[in-house]
Formats: sequence, C-alpha cells, structure tokens
Amino acid sequence: ILNVEQSPQSLHVQEGDSTNFTCSFPSSNFYALHWYRWETAKSPEALFVMTLNGDEKKKGRISATLNTKEGYSYLYIKGSQPEDSATYLCASISSGSARQLTFGSGTQLTVLP
Amino acid sequence: DGGITQSPKYLFRKEGQNVTLSCEQNLNHDAMYWYRQDPGQGLRLIYYSQIVNDFQKGDIAEGYSVSREKKESFPLTVTSAQKNPTAFYLCASTRGGRNEQFFGPGTRLTVL
Repeated sequence: ILNVEQSPQSLHVQEGDSTNFTCSFPSSNFYALHWYRWETAKSPEALFVMTLNGDEKKKGRISATLNTKEGYSYLYIKGSQPEDSATYLCASISSGSARQLTFGSGTQLTVLP
Repeated sequence: DGGITQSPKYLFRKEGQNVTLSCEQNLNHDAMYWYRQDPGQGLRLIYYSQIVNDFQKGDIAEGYSVSREKKESFPLTVTSAQKNPTAFYLCASTRGGRNEQFFGPGTRLTVL
C-alpha cells in the first residue's frame, strides 16, 4: 500500500490570506496525482490531475505544482475566501498498484471572514 | 444531469445484519469504486470494478461483497463478517486511466 501524507492536517486562515499545503507520496512507479476539494455536505470534486514532473496547474485562485522525483505536490490558494473552506484531498496512482488511487487523509481548511 | 447517486443517505442497522448500499451512475463510465472513510483517515478502497461482470478487491475488502451486473450499477453489501462497519461510504466512477474520479454524495452507515 502506498503511503500518501498530507500536511498540515488542519489550517485556519483569515479571508484574503494566501496559503499552501503539502502532499507527499512515494516517487517510485509514479503514474499520476489527483487533487480533490471536499466541501461539507457535498461530494469530493476534482481540482487537478497531474502527471509530469514540473507540472503546474491553475484554476482561478488555486494552483498546484508537482515534483515526481522527490515525491511531493503543493496546493496554493491565493487570497483565500470563506467559500474555499473545505477538505483538500490528494491521491496518488502508482503504476504498480493496478492503477488505483491511494488517498491522503486531507487538509481541512477554514477561512475566517 | 449526469452524475452518481447513492442511497440511502443515512442507514441504521442492527449488528449481525447484512446491508446493501446502492450506487448508480449515468456517466457511461466503465470503472466504479467503493471507498470507506473513518474519522482522521483518508478514503480507503474497498472494491473496484473496471468492467461489467468483473471486480477486484481493494485494500480493505474483508467483510464486504459487490456485484457489477450492469454498467450503471455497483451495489456494495456490508456483511455481518465486517468487524467495524460503522463508517461513511463513498462510491465513485471514472473513464479510467489517469482521469479524475466522480463521487456520489455518500451513505453514512451506523450499526447499532
């Protein structure tokens, strides 16, 4: 079983602050990395699918980077808003694991107005 | 609208009873998945199916069973052999490969 770690476990920021969190994953046999946002009372929704070392993806105020050689990905939120409050999950796919996702335990973000 | 539905949203069962959780998708996805979430843990894979009439065990399959008789449907049965069945269960589907997964709203099962 892959070990996917996310930090911090939870985070409180003020509205307007920028923030970032980390996802670390085994770098051997890397196939893809997914980021999901899970708002309370809703289903997880995909933010990014990243596959290549050095990938940078952006969606509005949210962006992500990927380093497959050292096994980490950062998620950045610029100018956090209360509606960004959610749990952010990362999940790694290894080519040796029947191509299934292994999830981290998530970072719970609360943006205070 | 295309999507994934799970029913019921909340389910209560007595210890020792089997219970079946429903998952239906109209996204025309080949692959479907069942995950379990416990407090403070990530989603853990129970079973997955990449094609009709075929499915494989995930990391925590003991005490669970599934069927995939139709592309749209992937029901999960929590049997009495599952030692700690109280949890939140999520169903997902994907086109496959590296593509993102689409999730249902989840079922919270409480065994009394």
